[in-house]
Amino acid sequence: QSGLTQPPSVSATPGQTITISCSGSTSNIGDEDVSWYQQFPGKAPQLIIFDNHKRPSDIPDRFSASKSGTSATLAIAGLQPGDEAEYYCGSWDNVLSAKVFGSGTQVIVL
Amino acid sequence: QVQLVQSGTEVKQPGSSVRVSCKTSGGIFTDFAFSWVRQAPGQGLEWLGGIIIFLNKATYGQRFQGRVTITADKSTATVYLDMNTLTIEDTALYYCARGRNGPFDFWGQGSRVTVS
Repeated sequence: QSGLTQPPSVSATPGQTITISCSGSTSNIGDEDVSWYQQFPGKAPQLIIFDNHKRPSDIPDRFSASKSGTSATLAIAGLQPGDEAEYYCGSWDNVLSAKVFGSGTQVIVL
Repeated sequence: QVQLVQSGTEVKQPGSSVRVSCKTSGGIFTDFAFSWVRQAPGQGLEWLGGIIIFLNKATYGQRFQGRVTITADKSTATVYLDMNTLTIEDTALYYCARGRNGPFDFWGQGSRVTVS
């Protein structure tokens, strides 16, 4: 099943703002909501963004996201060492009738 | 508080089958859908399929059609993943998660399946 496209890694120093892109198609991101997940090594993924831009109540507002056309973007402001993790986007694909994920982006805090 | 607690590590031979369970608590089981997602060593997330509990209807990713079966036991609020004809490429961490076409808001701790 076709996946979404993310950059392999993004790096920045503490305090900076980073963005992670997620590119899809009209059958997924273009027509369905996007969610974002944070995964630390050895741990299960955790939902950090749902319905394109909404945050669960326990996720700090340093995390934000948007969607435009067939692409989505996750932004992390005021980057902290504890933000070092793998980040995945996900969306339903209504042609495949399947959930599709991005390949994952490793965030490195320098 | 919602919790998804999965069964433990499995070591299987190629060609055999495996069952992984996911016992849920908190929330109304029949109000939700649940999915299975796997992660091979050093790799990303891959959706195997999901089940809408109140319809008892499961759908699967194309790669897994015919090889994977997802079922649910409403009496114990448990979701099951059965996978047959295992190959070495099925070695992975298998996660259950609450959700299907929408966001996956709660995840199990993962069940390691090694095919060797």
